[in-house]
Amino acid sequence: SAVISQKPSRDICQRGTSLTIQCQVDSQVTMMFWYRQQPGQSLTLIATANQGSEATYESGFVIDKFPISRPNLTFSTLTVSNMSPEDSSIYLCSVGTGRGETQYFGPGTRLLVL
Amino acid sequence: SQELEQSPQSLIVQEGKNLTINCTSSKTLYGLYWYKQKYGEGLIFLMMLQKGGEEKSHEKITAKLDEKKQQSSLHITASQPSHAGIYLCGAYSGSARQLTFGSGTQLTVLP
Repeated sequence: SAVISQKPSRDICQRGTSLTIQCQVDSQVTMMFWYRQQPGQSLTLIATANQGSEATYESGFVIDKFPISRPNLTFSTLTVSNMSPEDSSIYLCSVGTGRGETQYFGPGTRLLVL
Repeated sequence: SQELEQSPQSLIVQEGKNLTINCTSSKTLYGLYWYKQKYGEGLIFLMMLQKGGEEKSHEKITAKLDEKKQQSSLHITASQPSHAGIYLCGAYSGSARQLTFGSGTQLTVLP
């Protein structure tokens, strides 16, 4: 199993500002994923954070809005840029070793944009 | 793409009652994962099922995957307030290396 921590755990931000969320894993992992969970909704994948290359974004998500860094095999950041109230969500970091293996999740970052 | 439908969307039960949550896929499942999420928090891994007809139990929670591998059920026996939360099923879709999720079932257990 993997132990994942996220910072901050929650934040309240003003419209138009940006927030960077950090994800730290206690072991080296190949795959790191960023999900968004809007109020009352299930999880939606934003992007896959690849070490040594650019992140792979899902349809509807773009790098300018959600820039991601993956400097090493244990750490990643997701930035939510130019925030609007529609960005109010829980953002979850997740790690997995690949298909057929368990995917583990961090505790989430709860973001409220005013 | 694969879609996962969960039912019911929400469930309110009295403490001590049994309950079942279902997860149905439009395609054959090659791995079905159950997670629990407490309000506003991250996901806790419960169980993974891979083989048709497989059944796993942990404490009072039992999960099954049907023989056709298109439906899974999560059964809680003698529910307790600590079982309250959102239960999510997830599966790998196509060649993707990450999970896609059902819409979740909100469980409330009344003391």
